Parts: sequence; structure tokens; C-alpha cells
Amino acid sequence: DAKTTQPNSMESNEEEPVHLPCNHSTISGTDYIHWYRQLPSQGPEYVIHGLTSNVNNRMASLAIAEDRKSSTLILHRATLRDAAVYYCILRDNNAGNMLTFGGGTRLMVKP
Amino acid sequence: DVKVTQSSRYLVKRTGEKVFLECVQDMDHENMFWYRQDPGLGLRLIYFSYDVKMKEKGDIPEGYSVSREKKERFSLILESASTNQTSMYLCASSLPGYRTDTQYFGPGTRLTVL
Repeated sequence: DAKTTQPNSMESNEEEPVHLPCNHSTISGTDYIHWYRQLPSQGPEYVIHGLTSNVNNRMASLAIAEDRKSSTLILHRATLRDAAVYYCILRDNNAGNMLTFGGGTRLMVKP
Repeated sequence: DVKVTQSSRYLVKRTGEKVFLECVQDMDHENMFWYRQDPGLGLRLIYFSYDVKMKEKGDIPEGYSVSREKKERFSLILESASTNQTSMYLCASSLPGYRTDTQYFGPGTRLTVL
């Protein structure tokens, strides 16, 4: 299974951009890169996903390296409500509909 | 708006009891999932279902069973609860297809087995 590596934690100041890195050097050609986040005392929620091209939505942007071995989730202006654990996940071709969550990055946002 | 609800936020049971965790989704999704979340271990898939009366084992099915009699409802059953099943249980649902579909999660049930 393709695995992801993320820093355990990161800190950011409120209203500043945040770049959350993810390494996935064993990604296969058809694996999609998904990002979810989990706010305190809540279930995970979908943030964004992509395959090769950079992606933008109302929550965040996803920048994918040309060789696809890494990606970066970008929050353009962090708010206190963005404090959460962010998970970078590869969809496993052989596992059907499973999502395999790693340890994620705990983002702390300082006022 | 998309909604996945779980029957309880907090539950306390005794060892040996039979425990039912219920999950309901209102999005007409074919796929439903049960995960457990433990510190240091992340989320682990227990069972999933891709249609009514269909089920597949996940990574850690031992000690659990599931039931899906209606499309919107997916139940997780602990036949005889044990202390090592104390955990946060999360239900999710999604449309069919596996590479791009989004999973929608419920708020979780924190189960304590004494």
C-alpha cells in the first residue's frame, strides 16, 4: 500500500497562510490524493482531492508536485476554526472504497 | 446538506454486554463504513457495506458484526463487549466508485466498556 508521511504538528498565526506538506514517494499512477481534517470532538471532514493538477476549492488549495511524490495543502488565511488534525490519504486501488488514515498533522493556530 | 447521524455521542457499557451502534445517512449513499479511532493508531476500518444486506470485512473485524437491512442505516454490533473495545467509533457514507468519492462522517460515538 502506498503510504504518506506528514509532520506530527505545525503552528500558524491567525490570518496567515499555512502550507501543510505530505510525502507519498510510493504513490501509484492512478492513486488520488485526498485531504481530510478532523476538528476537535468531531468526525473527519473532506477538504480536497486531486490527481495531477493543482486544485482549488472554497476551503483550500492542493499543490501536487510534478512527480506526484509529494503534495501540499494550502490554507490561504488560517483562522482559529482551522485548528484540527489534517490527514493526507491516498486512495488504494486494491482496497475499493477504503480510506486509510495515518497519523496526520495537528495544526495549531495562534491568535 | 449532507448528514450522517449516530445514535449516541457517549455510551458506557459493561463487559459482556451486547452493544448496538446505529448510523443513519440521508444522502441515499450506497456505501457505508464503520471505523474505530484510537490514539496513536489513527482510524481503522472495521466493516463496510456497498449495498443493502452486503458487507465486507475491513482491517479489524474481530469481535464485531454489522447489519444493513435498509439503505440508510448501518449498524455495528459488539456481540460481547470487552474493555479493549473502548474507543471512538465513526460511521461514514459515500457514493459508489472508489478513487474520487468523498466520505462523509458522523460525529462519532465514544464507547467506554467497564
